[in-house]
Amino acid sequence: LAKTTQPISMDSYEGQEVNITCSHNNIATNDYITWYQQFPSQGPRFIIQGYKTKVTNEVASLFIPADRKSSTLSLPRVSLSDTAVYYCLVGDTNQAGTALIFGKGTTLSVSS
Amino acid sequence: GAVVSQHPSWVICKSGTSVKIECRSLDFQATTMFWYRQFPKQSLMLMATSNEGSKATYEQGVEKDKFLINHASLTLSTLTVTSAHPEDSSFYICSARDFPTSGSGYEQYFGPGTRLTVT
Repeated sequence: LAKTTQPISMDSYEGQEVNITCSHNNIATNDYITWYQQFPSQGPRFIIQGYKTKVTNEVASLFIPADRKSSTLSLPRVSLSDTAVYYCLVGDTNQAGTALIFGKGTTLSVSS
Repeated sequence: GAVVSQHPSWVICKSGTSVKIECRSLDFQATTMFWYRQFPKQSLMLMATSNEGSKATYEQGVEKDKFLINHASLTLSTLTVTSAHPEDSSFYICSARDFPTSGSGYEQYFGPGTRLTVT
C-alpha cells in the first residue's frame, strides 16, 4: 500500500481557508485518495474521496494533480470545531477486503 | 453516509478477564470489517481483517489467540480480548466498507470506538 506524508501540524484562524497537502509518491493505478477527520476519543469521520482532478462536497474540496503523487485537502472558512487530526490515505478501495492504512495525520489547530 | 456502531463505548475490566466488543453495520451489509487499535497521541493501527463466515486475517505482531474475531453475519463482527492485561488498554475502532457509489470506490466507515481500560 502506498505510504503518505503529511505535515505533523498546522495552525489557522477562524474564517481562513486551510489547505493540507499529502504526498503519496508510490500511489498505484487502482488507488483512491481518501481523507478522514478524527476528534479525540472518536472514530475517524469520512471527509472526501477522489481519484483524479478535483472533487468537491459540502464540507471540503480535494485537488489531485495529473500525476496523482500528491493531493490537497481544502477546508473553506474553518471554525474552531474543525480542530482535529486529518488523515490522508491511499488504497484500492474497490477491493472490499483491503483495509486502509493510516499514517501519522495532520493535527489542525484553529484559533479565534 | 452509512453508520457503524460499537458496543460498549467504554469498558473497564480486571486483568486476566475477557472483554467482548461488538461492531455492527446498521444500514448496510458488510462482508468485510476491519479492527483497528489506537494508543494515545498515535495513529490507528490495523489489527485484523474480519470476513463474514471465515477466519480473520491478522496483521503481523497481533496475537490471534488473544484477540479473537468472529464475523458471524453480514452486519456483526465481534472482537474479544482474552486474558486482558493493562497493556491492552487502548481505543479499539472497527470499520466496514459500503458498496461503491458511482464514480468512486468503496467508502470505509468507522465506528465510534471502544475505550478499554484494564486495571
